[in-house]
Amino acid sequence: EDKVVQSPLSLVVHEGDTVTLNCSYEVTNFRSLLWYKQEKKAPTFLFMLTSSGIEKKSGRLSSILDKKELFSILNITATQTGDSAVYLCGGGSNYKLTFGKGTLLTVNP
Amino acid sequence: KAGVTQTPRYLIKTRGQQVTLSCSPISGHRSVSWYQQTPGQGLQFLFEYFSETQRNKGNFPGRFSGRQFSNSRSEMNVSTLELGDSALYLCASSLVPRESTDTQYFGPGTRLTVL
Repeated sequence: EDKVVQSPLSLVVHEGDTVTLNCSYEVTNFRSLLWYKQEKKAPTFLFMLTSSGIEKKSGRLSSILDKKELFSILNITATQTGDSAVYLCGGGSNYKLTFGKGTLLTVNP
Repeated sequence: KAGVTQTPRYLIKTRGQQVTLSCSPISGHRSVSWYQQTPGQGLQFLFEYFSETQRNKGNFPGRFSGRQFSNSRSEMNVSTLELGDSALYLCASSLVPRESTDTQYFGPGTRLTVL
């Protein structure tokens, strides 16, 4: 059975800190790793990673995939209170995404 | 371009009833997936449809079913509702049907409460 594990489950930081969120996966016929941000609504897309070792960046957020070690990280630099959310990662295969339980990030002013 | 839309947004039912939820994908998207989100289990895959065909199904009982119409709109049905079916049901659509996976864009969800 496909499995995605995220760590830590929750994290509290101060504005300006840098955080690293982890995602490990065991997904049969793996094709892609996706990161989403979920506030009090639907998940919004952040990144899709398919190739190992290639970093994707969007402003203060960046992510990288290691297909040999079966994990991905999401980095957020200079955190802001608006970054407070649940961050979800999903492993894609066979027309479905298998999600981890998410990391709840709280950024305090 | 309008996003994924889901109706209704909120629903209250009692045990034993059945419910139908609707999802309209982003214009041009032909793949529709359904997920159940609960505090305990997180976001779990229900099923995926493309061209009116179910291509994959998650580990849910047969009470959960779905279908897709020729205009790519999709519905899911839950029969004989149980208290444990209370959840946020999310629909997601994606553009490229040939890929095994593609970026999925989520709708706002339907919050189902079973009393």
